[in-house]
Amino acid sequence: DGGITQSPKYLFRKEGQNVTLSCEQNLNHDAMYWYRQDPGQGLRLIYYSQIVNDFQKGDIAEGYSVSREKKESFPLTVTSAQKNPTAFYLCASSIRTWTKNIQYFGAGTRLSVL
Amino acid sequence: AQKVTQAQTEISVVEKEDVTLDCVYETRDTTYYLFWYKQPPSGELVFLIRRNSFDEQNEISGRYSWNFQKSTSSFNFTITASQVVDSAVYFCALSEGGSEKLVFGKGTKLTVNP
Repeated sequence: DGGITQSPKYLFRKEGQNVTLSCEQNLNHDAMYWYRQDPGQGLRLIYYSQIVNDFQKGDIAEGYSVSREKKESFPLTVTSAQKNPTAFYLCASSIRTWTKNIQYFGAGTRLSVL
Repeated sequence: AQKVTQAQTEISVVEKEDVTLDCVYETRDTTYYLFWYKQPPSGELVFLIRRNSFDEQNEISGRYSWNFQKSTSSFNFTITASQVVDSAVYFCALSEGGSEKLVFGKGTKLTVNP
């Protein structure tokens, strides 16, 4: 089945620790995105990547880092610099064409601080 | 700047009632795209519809219908004869023509009671 796989489903971070959230897609999509969702809030864009080896900051990139070494994979690292990391993280992907494309989402990773 | 407002934070209805979810957007672009997504309790966002700014035709898909009015900058979503399975958070989103970004409203939580 084609889709977007995020792992783990739940993740716990200790103070001062970096953690990495995985996002893999087998849809052959060019673009990938990371969003953060806080309770009662909409989604806010953290980072996005339109092609391999290239990515751009979104609206709330501070305290996060990403890489895009393969088309299928776009991992997100939540660094110790992110002081309030507790949130629901969603990964998405889309095809890039001249029209505005639909973003398809994974099932999310819920991150909590111990 | 682009902005999406979903003024209804929570709505509760009884099964078989019709319900309308409001979405008001702001943009300076003449080319833009509007989306609705559904987020069930499982967390994954499910795409429902995409509309571009040049297509003001209303759309109906089964029990779902969408009313796009550029004059009032609104893109409202109506569920006819609601069912318990419609219970979810619904997000409206906007993307300007030249942007890779989606800007989300804060969502409307719909609860359909049996």
